[in-house]
Amino acid sequence: DAGVIQSPRHEVTEMGQEVTLRCKPISGHNSLFWYRQTMMRGLELLIYFNNNVPIDDSGMPEDRFSAKMPNASFSTLKIQPSEPRDSAVYFCASSGDLDTQYFGPGTRLTVL
Amino acid sequence: GESVGLHLPTLSVQEGDNSIINCAYSNSASDYFIWYKQESGKGPQFIIDIRSNMDKRQGQRVTVLLNKTVKHLSLQIAATQPGDSAVYFCAENFNNAGNMLTFGGGTRLMVKP
Repeated sequence: DAGVIQSPRHEVTEMGQEVTLRCKPISGHNSLFWYRQTMMRGLELLIYFNNNVPIDDSGMPEDRFSAKMPNASFSTLKIQPSEPRDSAVYFCASSGDLDTQYFGPGTRLTVL
Repeated sequence: GESVGLHLPTLSVQEGDNSIINCAYSNSASDYFIWYKQESGKGPQFIIDIRSNMDKRQGQRVTVLLNKTVKHLSLQIAATQPGDSAVYFCAENFNNAGNMLTFGGGTRLMVKP
């Protein structure tokens, strides 16, 4: 089992650029979560999908952030335009019917 | 005052000793609890879970205890090893929240050789 796969692992970009983070959940899992982790705020839930449908996006900071899940095996988190305060580690997690969430390795985003 | 960042509680133990990490959860309706371990530069890793119909569950070198009366969860690590050094998070799920988890702030475990 490959686990949750995220790409890229590291991203360095300049303020104003578009950033797209990618996630492949564990096969068979029907829920997918995007989190952001910073020293200031810890682990924050951004958005949660169930069966490819966004269920709760109340954690998305603002309109610059958007997430999609076009099919059961792929999701993207996009930031446009990016700002330095978006610098963080972004995690994707997936779960099946038993509630346990399994996390990917994360994408470390640095916005200059 | 202005926050300068999360201050994680830190537990420092000697290699070979037992460690106990505590967590107070918030929702009396929570019925599922998980402990995660996060090493530097990695994502949170599932360690052990417990449902509210149990008060103790054991894994390999780890035991989770649940006290619903006082809404308290603990993780016990036997014979702590340097590889156990990490930040440990507890998380809770209540059954009207779908698969969403609410995470605690984390505790840093440092193992001294």
